[in-house]
Parts: sequence; C-alpha cells; structure tokens
Amino acid sequence: GAVVSQHPSRVICKSGTSVKIECRSLDFQATTMFWYRQFPKQSLMLMATSNEGSKATYEQGVEKDKFLINHASLTLSTLTVTSAHPEDSSFYICSASTGQVNGYTFGSGTRLTVV
Amino acid sequence: GDSVTQMEGPVTLSEEAFLTINCTYTATGYPSLFWYVQYPGEGLQLLLKATKADDKGSNKGFEATYRKETTSFHLEKGSVQVSDSAVYFCALSGQTGFQKLVFGTGTRLLVSP
Repeated sequence: GAVVSQHPSRVICKSGTSVKIECRSLDFQATTMFWYRQFPKQSLMLMATSNEGSKATYEQGVEKDKFLINHASLTLSTLTVTSAHPEDSSFYICSASTGQVNGYTFGSGTRLTVV
Repeated sequence: GDSVTQMEGPVTLSEEAFLTINCTYTATGYPSLFWYVQYPGEGLQLLLKATKADDKGSNKGFEATYRKETTSFHLEKGSVQVSDSAVYFCALSGQTGFQKLVFGTGTRLLVSP
C-alpha cells in the first residue's frame, strides 16, 4: 500500500534556528501533500496544501514566511520552520494524496521542541 | 463551511465492553467519511471509511455506517481490547482525492484490563 515517510521523528532545536521536516511518498507519486499541526490533546490543524511545482496554499492565520513549504518533486515535500521559537513546539504531520478518491496517507509525524 | 463534531472524551471502558463514539458532520454535497486512529507519539492511520450514504466501513472489529439522514458516522466496536486505547478522529473530505480532510477534535479511548 501507499507509504509516506516523514523525517525526522523528533527534533530539538535552539530558539532562533531553522528546522526542516521532510515528507516522502515512497511508492507513489503525490501530486498534493498536506501539512498539519497538532497541539497537545487537540485535533489536527491544516497549515497548508502543497502542490508539486507550485506555491503552497496556506490556511488563514498561518505565517507563510515562518513555515516555508517546498514541493519540488512528486515524491518530496518539505516544511521549514524558520527562526523557531518555543511556541512553535508542536507535532507536525504530513499527508500525501494519491489522487484517487479518498486516497490520503499520513506520515508518522515529527515532534518539534524548541528550547 | 464543512465541519465534524465528535463526542468529547476521554471514554473509559473495561476490556470487552461495547464502544460507541459519536460523530456528526455538516457538509455540502456528498462527502466521504473516515475514522482515523492515532496511537501515542505516532501519526494517523486510516481505520475505516465510507464514500456514500448507507455504506458501512469496517476494519479490525470496528464499524461505522454513513447515515445521510442523520448526518452521522458513529464508530462502534462490540468488544474493545486494551490495545484499542488511542485517540480516534472522525473526518470528512470532498469527493475528489485532492480536497483536504476536515477533522473532528478527536476522542481519547482508554481501555483498562
């Protein structure tokens, strides 16, 4: 079945530095990828929709300059948290669409801790 | 806009008890409906889905029926196990594969031996 690999699973960084999270579709081409953020004991908040070869579409309230999304190929999308601060600490999850109806596959998530 | 409402948790049950987690939705058109499960520290796994009215999704003993008349997609399991302890998310999406998922707030299930 469709597999999405998300890396790293955990990262700790210092305040002010940038962190890159990768999301790869291993056995299918993902024209569209979604990036979610999950706060403790809360649901998933969609941050942006990433389409291969074009600019990402950000949800209202998400800072485009802070959360840089790149979808350069059909198998790779990256989320870069720039100038991270403690309030950016969260669980980030990517999801890739296979293009089939209801074809969503989730990565295993990245726990980001900014100290 | 589209939305999903789930019962608040946590839901605490003893092993072998019957489980129901309520989910209702608001959407235009005919969305597809999903249940996802999240184990601690992990991403989401698709548990089951239904794409049209009266469809029943089932997997690992869990079932949910797409009820258009009541706009509901309640999750049920006849006999829960300790290993079922997790957070369960109800979600909906539009009819094309590229539309975003709209999630409910999640319901934590705790099953004790």
